[in-house]
Amino acid sequence: GQQVMQIPQYQHVQEGEDFTTYCNSSTTLSNIQWYKQRPGGHPVFLIQLVKSGEVKKQKRLTFQFGEAKKNSSLHITATQTTDVGTYFCAGEGTTDSWGKFQFGAGTQVVVTP
Amino acid sequence: SQTIHQWPATLVQPVGSPLSLECTVEGTSNPNLYWYRQAAGRGLQLLFYSVGIGQISSEVPQNLSASRPQDRQFILSSKKLLLSDSGFYLCAWIINTDAFFGQGTRLTVV
Repeated sequence: GQQVMQIPQYQHVQEGEDFTTYCNSSTTLSNIQWYKQRPGGHPVFLIQLVKSGEVKKQKRLTFQFGEAKKNSSLHITATQTTDVGTYFCAGEGTTDSWGKFQFGAGTQVVVTP
Repeated sequence: SQTIHQWPATLVQPVGSPLSLECTVEGTSNPNLYWYRQAAGRGLQLLFYSVGIGQISSEVPQNLSASRPQDRQFILSSKKLLLSDSGFYLCAWIINTDAFFGQGTRLTVV
């Protein structure tokens, strides 16, 4: 079955530095979503990528969907303390798995001032 | 270990029929539990959350209701399903920076 894996599990970043978290699926995805969960909060939708090779930006966040639609990445530039939280990717499968999202385990980001 | 179970994985129901989706967790006590629904193009939308038995908070008005009869059980219900209730529903257990997700239910109302 479809499996979504996220790396790294933990990311310690110095404020001002850049970092990237990666999401890999064992099968081709129809689309992928990214969520952010602040400490004590619940996952909040950030973005959805649908097209092969798609790149979207939200201020300091850059999201990319791989050409084969099996990988995705989230790159944050000039990290700020407000970026603290856990970032989840969720992939929607194709054909038999259509309409079902599987979440990665998340990347917990800690920002050091 | 901490696990979350959600069932069924797929459900086809006629319009006007009742709905009951169940979510249970293991390996914890007094968890914060959440029901989400996939909104087209907008990702998962929070429907209900519960911080304890009998405590339900609703985020959006709709044809659904939720109940927390036991500490580790969270149920999503409807008395009469509408066509617009079709979609993907996801249960989640969240504690601080960790979130555990059920397998999700793909509901088709016909």
